[in-house]
Amino acid sequence: NAGVTQTPKFQVLKTGQSMTLQCAQDMNHEYMSWYRQDPGMGLRLIHYSVGAGITDQGEVPNGYNVSRSTTEDFPLRLLSAAPSQTSVYFCASSYSGGGAFTEQFFGPGTRLTVL
Amino acid sequence: KNEVEQSPQNLTAQEGEFITINCSYSVGISALHWLQQHPGGGIVSLFMLSSGKKKHGRLIATINIQEKHSSLHITASHPRDSAVYICAVYTGANSKLTFGKGITLSVRP
Repeated sequence: NAGVTQTPKFQVLKTGQSMTLQCAQDMNHEYMSWYRQDPGMGLRLIHYSVGAGITDQGEVPNGYNVSRSTTEDFPLRLLSAAPSQTSVYFCASSYSGGGAFTEQFFGPGTRLTVL
Repeated sequence: KNEVEQSPQNLTAQEGEFITINCSYSVGISALHWLQQHPGGGIVSLFMLSSGKKKHGRLIATINIQEKHSSLHITASHPRDSAVYICAVYTGANSKLTFGKGITLSVRP
């Protein structure tokens, strides 16, 4: 199993550009989520999905869109990049949601810089 | 006030020392998660626990639900233990994780 994969590993954007961060998992996990990690702050939830076709907002959703057309893929779209979105982005997946006690598996991260 | 507080913020130890990292939380939880992040690397789950104590190799995690406190202990520390250790708690109906800021541990040879 590849686990959770993310592409790209690094990306530099100019303000106003759009892009999609890719996330895929091959563990048949229902629950997937996107976090951002900023210096001096804990990981913060951007969006999450409890299954194909179902997504919801997390703590810091503004400026980001997600969709979940398949169980495997959960892309994160930046519609119009801003310098405040400079961060390291992690995708994670787990077997189930709903408050269940379940291990989360993290991707390797995408380091995004917005100029 | 952050829902998850970790202490100390940074920690330096000598190889072989016994290390304790603390995590306190202010909300009701269903489970607590300890994670490890190496410099430039990804995040790996070390433990999940909802009560008592768990042990894996040189790592021991404990939790006291009544006191809303958990500790991660590292016995016979080694430079390869140098990493950021993150505490996260499960809250809410959809396994939403709330993360602490992490503790940066440096173990000197």
